[in-house]
Amino acid sequence: DADVTQTPRNRITKTGKRIMLECSQTKGHDRMYWYRQDPGLGLRLIYYSFDVKDINKGEISDGYSVSRQAQAKFSLSLESAIPNQTALYFCATSDLGTSQETQYFGPGTRLLVL
Amino acid sequence: GQNIDQPTEMTATEGAIVQINCTYQTSGFNGLFWYQQHAGEAPTFLSYNVLDGLEEKGRFSSFLSRSKGYSYLLLKELQMKDSASYLCAVRGNTGGFKTIFGAGTRLFVKA
Repeated sequence: DADVTQTPRNRITKTGKRIMLECSQTKGHDRMYWYRQDPGLGLRLIYYSFDVKDINKGEISDGYSVSRQAQAKFSLSLESAIPNQTALYFCATSDLGTSQETQYFGPGTRLLVL
Repeated sequence: GQNIDQPTEMTATEGAIVQINCTYQTSGFNGLFWYQQHAGEAPTFLSYNVLDGLEEKGRFSSFLSRSKGYSYLLLKELQMKDSASYLCAVRGNTGGFKTIFGAGTRLFVKA
């Protein structure tokens, strides 16, 4: 079984709709992240959480919100989706207990906003 | 500001050696990563450098010069399956030790 899972894997929605992307991990890591990836722009950080009570904005948080329901779960919401939020979204985790703190990525959610 | 530069695309021949360069300007430095990402898939960890010098891991090696803000990933004995994007990423030492990713270098390996 995959250590970091994301649901759904693909989603098509309409402008103005509220949607939620979910991420779960079995790695036992404290830190979780949400990124979006656009062609030519690389991975950009939306939000990150260092533990259940800690939520921090990344470089492109406008239009997004998150919820850390448990150590293992981190959800990303688009309150009112717009077409320029069409992208590939990745959840990632890292282990606070290691100096290296490699990030482990989920398989991604491909979102299309019409 | 923070910036990571790497070439957009490279092409190399099966069996050859290719070097992918990365230069960075970041707020503090606490390690440089290389990730591999096949099309439509998740990035996966390749290497980590925090001290100057070369780290070798099988066919892949990564070099770091902190004073120059420079790293490279060296891939030897190229195989067709090495066709992928290679992401350079730098972890800072301020603001929660966030990691900044470059846009990636798309490598095409031809027969």
